[in-house]
Amino acid sequence: DTGVSQDPRHKITKRGQNVTFRCDPISEHNRLYWYRQTLGQGPEFLTYFQNEAQLEKSRLLSDRFSAERPKGSFSTLEIQRTEQGDSAMYLCASSPPYGSYGYTFGSGTRLTVV
Amino acid sequence: AQKVTQAQTEISVVEKEDVTLDCVYETRDTTYYLFWYKQPPSGELVFLIRRNSFDEQNEISGRYSWNFQKSTSSFNFTITASQVVDSAVYFCALSFQAGTALIFGKGTTLSVSS
Repeated sequence: DTGVSQDPRHKITKRGQNVTFRCDPISEHNRLYWYRQTLGQGPEFLTYFQNEAQLEKSRLLSDRFSAERPKGSFSTLEIQRTEQGDSAMYLCASSPPYGSYGYTFGSGTRLTVV
Repeated sequence: AQKVTQAQTEISVVEKEDVTLDCVYETRDTTYYLFWYKQPPSGELVFLIRRNSFDEQNEISGRYSWNFQKSTSSFNFTITASQVVDSAVYFCALSFQAGTALIFGKGTTLSVSS
């Protein structure tokens, strides 16, 4: 068990470019979550998968954002036409099917839009 | 409205002092879960504790203790004999069903000096 892995750790992109982040959850965890954290704030929920089904999306997830979890394993989060306001830490978490005894978070991907 | 309030933005203490981090939550649900997470400078959120709304027993784990009081909608966290390694941002969070999205407070930054 290597925990939740996120790639890349850091991404700098120019405004208007598309970016994609990847999250590999703990293998036996069927639930996967994306959060966004800006400086001085707590993480804000973006979206949630149970296996390959996307069950919940926040209002924060504008139409420029899309998330997938094609085989119920890893997930990707894509941001199209990035804006400076998208600069944040993007956190992925996973949890097991029962008990939900704590969500395990990855180290995050820090996005800077210049 | 569902909300988590951590009124203390920053706390500074000297090593070996006891410190309490406050968390007040708002919800109309009778079933909910409360969490505390630690976010050290490395950025990864570390799970500390989960409590469900039917379990008001206080919990102690080493130097950490938690006081859950439904009457005041509070779930406070105390660190006894603080150490420099306790320096981090601490988040309180709320969820409504096991496995659903977490609602985080804004966090309390704890600085412990030697």
